[in-house]
Amino acid sequence: NAGVTQTPKFRILKIGQSMTLQCAQDMNHNYMYWYRQDPGMGLKLIYYSVGAGITDKGEVPNGYNVSRSTTEDFPLRLELAAPSQTSVYFCASGGGGETQYFGPGTRLLVL
Amino acid sequence: GQQVMQIPQYQHVQEGEDFTTYCNSSTTLSNIQWYKQRPGGHPVFLIQLVKSGEVKKQKRLTFQFGEAKKNSSLHITATQTTDVGTYFCAPGAGSYQLTFGKGTKLSVIP
Repeated sequence: NAGVTQTPKFRILKIGQSMTLQCAQDMNHNYMYWYRQDPGMGLKLIYYSVGAGITDKGEVPNGYNVSRSTTEDFPLRLELAAPSQTSVYFCASGGGGETQYFGPGTRLLVL
Repeated sequence: GQQVMQIPQYQHVQEGEDFTTYCNSSTTLSNIQWYKQRPGGHPVFLIQLVKSGEVKKQKRLTFQFGEAKKNSSLHITATQTTDVGTYFCAPGAGSYQLTFGKGTKLSVIP
């Protein structure tokens, strides 16, 4: 099993550009999550999903959108990138027992 | 989510010394998980504690859950350079969401 995969690994965006961060898992987990981690800080939940077709906001959802059309995929969309969105983005999945398995992360720089 | 405070925020130890990080909550927790994040890496699940007073060991790591289920600790005996990283506690609220603490960053001086 590949576990949780994320693409791209690193991206530079200009202010106002848009992009989609991809996340996929092959563990058949119902629960998927998007976090951001600013330098030296903890993890903040952006959005989460409890199953295909169901998504909900986390602590810091502004400026982001998600969709969950399949169990495997949970893309995160950034519209109109801003410097405040410079961060490391982690996708995670879980089987419902609350243990979460993280992807390797996407490092995003907005200039 | 339930909020926790982790202390210390940073810890520098000489290789071979012991290390402890604490996770404190003002409310009773249903369970607590611990994760480790290596520099430049992603969080990796270490353990989950559920029962009051529970103690679990993983080689040199000892995890404890307080009797009142409001605090937890992670103790590393005889630190090694491979222990370097940030250790996060994450209380579970009985739902599928976790709230991560700010973490304790451990540096080990060889």
